[in-house]
Amino acid sequence: NAGVTQTPKFQVLKTGQSMTLQCAQDMNHNSMYWYRQDPGMGLRLIYYSASEGTTDKGEVPNGYNVSRLNKREFSLRLESAAPSQTSVYFCASSAGQGYNEQFFGPGTRLTVL
Amino acid sequence: LAKTTQPISMDSYEGQEVNITCSHNNIATNDYITWYQQFPSQGPRFIIQGYKTKVTNEVASLFIPADRKSSTLSLPRVSLSDTAVYYCLVGRAGTALIFGKGTTLSVSS
Repeated sequence: NAGVTQTPKFQVLKTGQSMTLQCAQDMNHNSMYWYRQDPGMGLRLIYYSASEGTTDKGEVPNGYNVSRLNKREFSLRLESAAPSQTSVYFCASSAGQGYNEQFFGPGTRLTVL
Repeated sequence: LAKTTQPISMDSYEGQEVNITCSHNNIATNDYITWYQQFPSQGPRFIIQGYKTKVTNEVASLFIPADRKSSTLSLPRVSLSDTAVYYCLVGRAGTALIFGKGTTLSVSS
């Protein structure tokens, strides 16, 4: 069991470039989440998917789009990257049935110049 | 969206018991209370979860009063490796799970 995997681990973009962060889980979980964590700060929820086929905005959705490709995969897209989006991005999943223990991936460190 | 309030930081010494309290006044009936631990450069890791009264596992205890408006994470006999940020979350499956600012615990020898 790999758990939650994220690609890439590191990425440097120039302002205005686009990219997609990939996340996959092999635990047959229903719910998946994208968070960002700025240096010295807590995690902030960007988007989440309660189940396959649904997505909802979190606390800070502006500048991002998501796709729940199937039950395993949940991608996060930056259409036009800005320096304010420099952060560490964590993907998480949870069973989504009865309780909400989340399992987190290792994170993607994104720098926007 | 349920919100939580925790102390920003706490200091302790090795071998002491540490209690971190979280306030969640607007917790909903179906919400669970979950605590996570985060080390630098890593994603958060689940510690313990509860709904009411007391829950204990091999690493921590969670105390929840009857009104459920607060909870206390208890770490027995902390060591240097327990230095981390601790987050309290309230919520339920399939909903927006919001992290607060967390409590930075520093353990000294």
